[in-house]
Amino acid sequence: AQSVSQHNHHVILSEAASLELGCNYSYGGTVNLFWYVQYPGQHLQLLLKYFSGDPLVKGIKGFEAEFIKSKFSFNLRKPSVQWSDTAEYFCAVKPYGNNRLAFGKGNQVVVIP
Amino acid sequence: SAVISQKPSRDICQRGTSLTIQCQVDSQVTMMFWYRQQPGQSLTLIATANQGSEATYESGFVIDKFPISRPNLTFSTLTVSNMSPEDSSIYLCSAPLEAGALRETQYFGPGTRLLVL
Repeated sequence: AQSVSQHNHHVILSEAASLELGCNYSYGGTVNLFWYVQYPGQHLQLLLKYFSGDPLVKGIKGFEAEFIKSKFSFNLRKPSVQWSDTAEYFCAVKPYGNNRLAFGKGNQVVVIP
Repeated sequence: SAVISQKPSRDICQRGTSLTIQCQVDSQVTMMFWYRQQPGQSLTLIATANQGSEATYESGFVIDKFPISRPNLTFSTLTVSNMSPEDSSIYLCSAPLEAGALRETQYFGPGTRLLVL
């Protein structure tokens, strides 16, 4: 079964700092990749997704992620975070043609004003 | 985009009782999914609910504990049976709401926060 790894579960940074969250998966075939965000007290929302094409994907709120096939990675980045980016971020992987979505353990990000 | 709603949003239950969670999607979908998010943990898929057939359960989850109904293409229920404190969790339903089975994207309901005493 595929697995999804997210490291550095707790991340604390100041406003305007850059953020990068790593996501690695173990699956040899073609995959669809997602980042979801859960703001405090809110439900899980889609941040961005990758199916094919340009490996650099831009999402909402200034986030982007890069798919590096050779590294089985889909890291999330934001050049300058805001206090409102405080949230939990989940990477998820879905094998192509399969409906099962596998989640990483999540990164709890706290942005200090 | 389509909306997914869940009821109840939260509940506190006594051990040994059962709770049924409802999930409503405002568009027709073939598959709906039920997840559990235990405190401090990630989301774990419980089962896939297909309309017109029995749900498909993931390893570690059984129908007797988590019976699922899927009476039509916009609605599903998950029952947490004979609850124990270990069942305290957030239960979420999701559905793929974008066209194309090979490019489907799952969207999630707001979750049901369950506390079992």
